[in-house]
Amino acid sequence: ETGVTQSPTHLIKTRGQQVTLRCSSQSGHNTVSWYQQALGQGPQFIFQYYREEENGRGNFPPRFSGLQFPNYSSELNVNALELDDSALYLCASSLSVANTGELFFGEGSRLTVL
Amino acid sequence: QQQVKQSPQSLIVQKGGISIINCAYENTAFDYFPWYQQFPGKGPALLIAIRPDVSEKKEGRFTISFNKSAKQFSLHIMDSQPGDSATYFCAASSKGGSEKLVFGKGTKLTVNP
Repeated sequence: ETGVTQSPTHLIKTRGQQVTLRCSSQSGHNTVSWYQQALGQGPQFIFQYYREEENGRGNFPPRFSGLQFPNYSSELNVNALELDDSALYLCASSLSVANTGELFFGEGSRLTVL
Repeated sequence: QQQVKQSPQSLIVQKGGISIINCAYENTAFDYFPWYQQFPGKGPALLIAIRPDVSEKKEGRFTISFNKSAKQFSLHIMDSQPGDSATYFCAASSKGGSEKLVFGKGTKLTVNP
């Protein structure tokens, strides 16, 4: 059983650029959530995907968007990058949207915006 | 607006001691309260979770105490070990499970040998 994998692990972008982060969910998990973790802070919910549809969104602007594919993998896209977007982006998968149990997190993609 | 307030920000405990981390919340709709443990360079991992129908849950050396009327919950780590040194996050959700978790700011625990 493979865990949640994310790529790339680190990347550097400049203001105004666009970035795509990728996530492969844990085997058998059909729900993917994305969180942003700024340095020294707790993770903040960005959005969740279930069966290729967005199923809940946190307080993030529309320039944060996502996709989920038929194999349940997911992408997070951020347009018009700002300095404050510098953070660790965490992907988490769970067994189903109705799951009352555990989120399994990947190790994250650390984005630096210069 | 910080919906889950966590304290202390950092904690240093001697090996064998008890580590206590506290969290408070405002939203009475919250009905699921997990604690996550995060090591440097890793993603958070679920440690233990509680729902408001019980006041305490114990798993090994880890115990959650929950006070619904005070809207507070805490994590107790008994017989703390150097391997417990990590950052701990409390969280809450109003969806009955792991959907749309709201996290505290974290507590960096250091257990000295």
